[in-house]
Amino acid sequence: AQSVTQPDIHITVSEGASLELRCNYSYGATPYLFWYVQSPGQGLQLLLKYFSGDTLVQGIKGFEAEFKRSQSSFNLRKPSVHWSDAAEYFCAVGALRTGGGNKLTFGTGTQLKVEL
Amino acid sequence: GAVVSQHPSWVICKSGTSVKIECRSLDFQATTMFWYRQFPKQSLMLMATSNEGSKATYEQGVEKDKFLINHASLTLSTLTVTSAHPEDSSFYICSAKRQRDYEQYFGPGTRLTVT
Repeated sequence: AQSVTQPDIHITVSEGASLELRCNYSYGATPYLFWYVQSPGQGLQLLLKYFSGDTLVQGIKGFEAEFKRSQSSFNLRKPSVHWSDAAEYFCAVGALRTGGGNKLTFGTGTQLKVEL
Repeated sequence: GAVVSQHPSWVICKSGTSVKIECRSLDFQATTMFWYRQFPKQSLMLMATSNEGSKATYEQGVEKDKFLINHASLTLSTLTVTSAHPEDSSFYICSAKRQRDYEQYFGPGTRLTVT
């Protein structure tokens, strides 16, 4: 079974500083990997995804993530954080299932706080 | 494109009553829809997967008789919480995917409070 670990529950950064959110996954085959952002009381917005190909993935809002198979990691980065980036960030791994469909397994999330 | 809506966005019901939550794909046909539950400050837990015209597949530990899922059309899935109790209070999020797509598109969520 797949699993996702986000080791940092809370992270605080100053506006304009760089950001890296960690994500480690466990999955027996090539994973499909996602990063989502959730504002309070809202649904999930997809930031970026990795299916195959280039291991450095560009997403929306200036975010990027790098897939490192040797480290089973898919860390999210942003070179300069804006106050509006404060939110909960979830990493997820997807797996195809017999009979079709897919299943996303989410990490526990990282709460990002941005200091002005 | 790929917009998913949920209705209602929040609902309060009394213990013992049933409540229905709708999930709609507004601009695409969703062959598969998913229902997640999220407790405060916690991650999303998949409850069930529904394919249009088929019975839902429930994750281990989810009571299928309590959480009734219907996916009657390619644009609508419903989750009915039967005989709700305060411990059913939670944030319920649905997602939908196209037949050949891998990506899931998420709705904005429904906050259920059972008093």
